[in-house]
Amino acid sequence: RKEVEQDPGPFNVPEGATVAFNCTYSNSASQSFFWYRQDCRKEPKLLMSVYSSGNEDGRFTAQLNRASQYISLLIRDSKLSDSATYLCVVRNSGYSTLTFGKGTMLLVSP
Amino acid sequence: EAQVTQNPRYLITVTGKKLTVTCSQNMNHEYMSWYRQDPGLGLRQIYYSMNVEVTDKGDVPEGYKVSRKEKRNFPLILESPSPNQTSLYFCASSSRGGGLTDTQYFGPGTRLTVL
Repeated sequence: RKEVEQDPGPFNVPEGATVAFNCTYSNSASQSFFWYRQDCRKEPKLLMSVYSSGNEDGRFTAQLNRASQYISLLIRDSKLSDSATYLCVVRNSGYSTLTFGKGTMLLVSP
Repeated sequence: EAQVTQNPRYLITVTGKKLTVTCSQNMNHEYMSWYRQDPGLGLRQIYYSMNVEVTDKGDVPEGYKVSRKEKRNFPLILESPSPNQTSLYFCASSSRGGGLTDTQYFGPGTRLTVL
């Protein structure tokens, strides 16, 4: 089983739609979880950290389910500018390297 | 402005010709790292450094060298590049290298083609 798995998409949604991505991770000892956003051929940028209790930042909501070992990202009221690849990222211990999923592509159309 | 810079941004070279990709950060970060990104494979870590003179291998270190003589700089060296090192390379840095609030900042990327 790959360490961090994501559906590559693309997810094609109209403006204003709600879209959700899931990501599964294989190491039950994983401690830190993140969603990064990457625009085409640009550098990844942190979108949000994922807290155990779930967290929300404007239109974005992240959830963590440790029992099932998955992380989710919900985007409400999609904007054209949300079109990007969303990377699920896991850190396995406090000060170790990050493991990136291959990303889920989102395309928001007018 | 807080940033990670990489140079060059684009490079086309030939097999066997040694090259160095520079990376510099102005945020006084302790942790720095190099990744490569290939279609279908995602981001994979090459080397990382927890502090000056402390470096360690990531997932795909073969064919690469690094050094960390100063806190701000973390160059990536390809002693004898081969076509399978054609890739998009990212340098990243973070304050401590760990923790939920420790954000990794990425450089703009270096697109390398080895003929």
